Amino acid sequence: NAGVMQNPRHLVRRRGQEARLRCSPMKGHSHVYWYRQLPEEGLKFMVYLQKENIIDESGMPKERFSAEFPKEGPSILRIQQVVRGDSAAYFCASSPPSMASSYEQYFGPGTRLTVT
Amino acid sequence: SQQGEEDPQALSIQEGENATMNCSYKTSINNLQWYRQNSGRGLVHLILIRSNEREKHSGRLRVTLDTSKKSSSLLITASRAADTASYFCATGPWAGNMLTFGGGTRLMVKP
Repeated sequence: NAGVMQNPRHLVRRRGQEARLRCSPMKGHSHVYWYRQLPEEGLKFMVYLQKENIIDESGMPKERFSAEFPKEGPSILRIQQVVRGDSAAYFCASSPPSMASSYEQYFGPGTRLTVT
Repeated sequence: SQQGEEDPQALSIQEGENATMNCSYKTSINNLQWYRQNSGRGLVHLILIRSNEREKHSGRLRVTLDTSKKSSSLLITASRAADTASYFCATGPWAGNMLTFGGGTRLMVKP
């Protein structure tokens, strides 16, 4: 039973390039969350998606960042025109469909983005 | 500002000793969860305690929750070197599913 998969694990981009981070949730999970972690800090929520829908993007910067979770395939977090301040670890988590709020979330290993 | 604040920020103990970490939060919650993160790795879920629970155990872990004080504690008994990691509390709200994390406690267990 594979866990949450993220790729790439490490990504190096020059300033101004685009970064695309992928997340495949656990089998049977339809909720995906993206979090960002700066060095020596906790995780900060960015966006919550269900299949083909963005449910909550309150933590996502208004510009340059976008996320999607298509009907088929992984969830994608896209960062356009990256800047040095985007360097961080980006974690994806998934949870099963449920009527109740706030179940345990299962985290992927993260993508470490370095902007040079 | 963060919802959860862990205390202490760093803790160094000898193997075999107990480690206690505290977490305070600000708003009403549905549940509170503790996660462990080894250096450079993803997060591992340890334990979830719901707002109507006061204490929960899992192996060497004991979690308490005091909603009147908006605080929780994580106790690791008989610590091992392998427990060396950062520990985060995260709160789940009544509405919505996102987790709000604290800044973490960095625990070092010396052999």
